[in-house]
Amino acid sequence: DAKTTQPPSMDCAEGRAANLPCNHSTISGNEYVYWYRQIHSQGPQYIIHGLKNNETNEMASLIITEDRKSSTLILPHATLRDTAVYYCTGRSGGSNYKLTFGKGTLLTVNP
Amino acid sequence: GAVVSQHPSRVICKSGTSVKIECRSLDFQATTMFWYRQFPKQSLMLMATSNEGSKATYEQGVEKDKFLINHASLTLSTLTVTSAHPEDSSFYICSAPGGRVTEAFFGQGTRLTVV
Repeated sequence: DAKTTQPPSMDCAEGRAANLPCNHSTISGNEYVYWYRQIHSQGPQYIIHGLKNNETNEMASLIITEDRKSSTLILPHATLRDTAVYYCTGRSGGSNYKLTFGKGTLLTVNP
Repeated sequence: GAVVSQHPSRVICKSGTSVKIECRSLDFQATTMFWYRQFPKQSLMLMATSNEGSKATYEQGVEKDKFLINHASLTLSTLTVTSAHPEDSSFYICSAPGGRVTEAFFGQGTRLTVV
């Protein structure tokens, strides 16, 4: 599994876009990039994933660099409820869905 | 989306006793489930992979005799913390692959406090 590096914390103003970076320079060619978030004292919540192309869903957008060594999760209009720890991780498409987590980024959305 | 449910959400037990935590996949079958442990202000650490109908696979450093895992059916995995000690106090979380190929779903977690 890819080793990931994320900033320990970030702040964002409510209503503004939150851009969370992740370095995954050791990611292999068949590993997907996944993003999860964890609100305090809850289980992680799936956000989005991608392999090569940029992805967008109702929660967020994922921008993956061409060399796949890094990615950025974008929350287009952050709300106070988006305050959470955000984890990026890698997983091989052929594996049994085992996910390992780094330390993540604590995003604090301020009013 | 797929739902994974854990029970109980909180438990307090005395040192030396055993505690069982259940993880259920409510609307899908899961031949594999994963158990994580999370200490305060730390990330999730994978403890073991639970396999339906066979032995669990434990991560390095996790005592299999202390953390007993049973995956008796396609919708239920249990983690039993045996002879609990205060240092076992933690947040335990399970996950299971969902119906779609590329997602994993997590339970809401169980806060264990050993006194």
